[in-house]
Amino acid sequence: DTGVSQDPRHKITKRGQNVTFRCDPISEHNRLYWYRQTLGQGPEFLTYFQNEAQLEKSRLLSDRFSAERPKGSFSTLEIQRTEQGDSAMYLCASSARSGRDSPLHFGNGTRLTVT
Amino acid sequence: KNEVEQSPQNLTAQEGEFITINCSYSVGISALHWLQQHPGGGIVSLFMLSSGKKKHGRLIATINIQEKHSSLHITASHPRDSAVYICAVSTGVTGAQKLVFGQGTRLTINP
Repeated sequence: DTGVSQDPRHKITKRGQNVTFRCDPISEHNRLYWYRQTLGQGPEFLTYFQNEAQLEKSRLLSDRFSAERPKGSFSTLEIQRTEQGDSAMYLCASSARSGRDSPLHFGNGTRLTVT
Repeated sequence: KNEVEQSPQNLTAQEGEFITINCSYSVGISALHWLQQHPGGGIVSLFMLSSGKKKHGRLIATINIQEKHSSLHITASHPRDSAVYICAVSTGVTGAQKLVFGQGTRLTINP
């Protein structure tokens, strides 16, 4: 068990550029979640996958955001035409498919700064 | 009003003190989580509970479903306990752990 891995740890980009983040969950976990955390706030739910299916998306996820999990393993989160308000920590978490008793395992996050 | 409220927002104490952090929620839940976040972002799950009480080392978590309230206690606090402690609730009806988070409590333990 190598834990949830996120890449990159930090990303600085100019407004208007596209960015893509990657999350590798724990290998036997079929559920994967993306959260966003701004400074001084608790994380907010963005989207959730079970295997390769994206089952739920928050209204926070505007049209500029897209997430994929093509083979039910790693996931990518892309932000197009970044805005300064997108600056945040993007957290990925995974859990096993064992109903409600499976705790979440979080990655260390990708910190995005849009200048 | 947030669906998950924590108190206090900031807490500073001396090493050895007994610490209590409170969490109240206003939505139906399937489970409540206590999480620890250190500087740099990494989040560690401390407890997941849906009733009663759980203990792990010096940490104790309790939940009262009727009152929609949970507490996290730390006994014999130590400077290494300094972190942000976050309460979160699972609201997913399918069993998925879609969490709604509180704003966190920043705990500082001075030696």
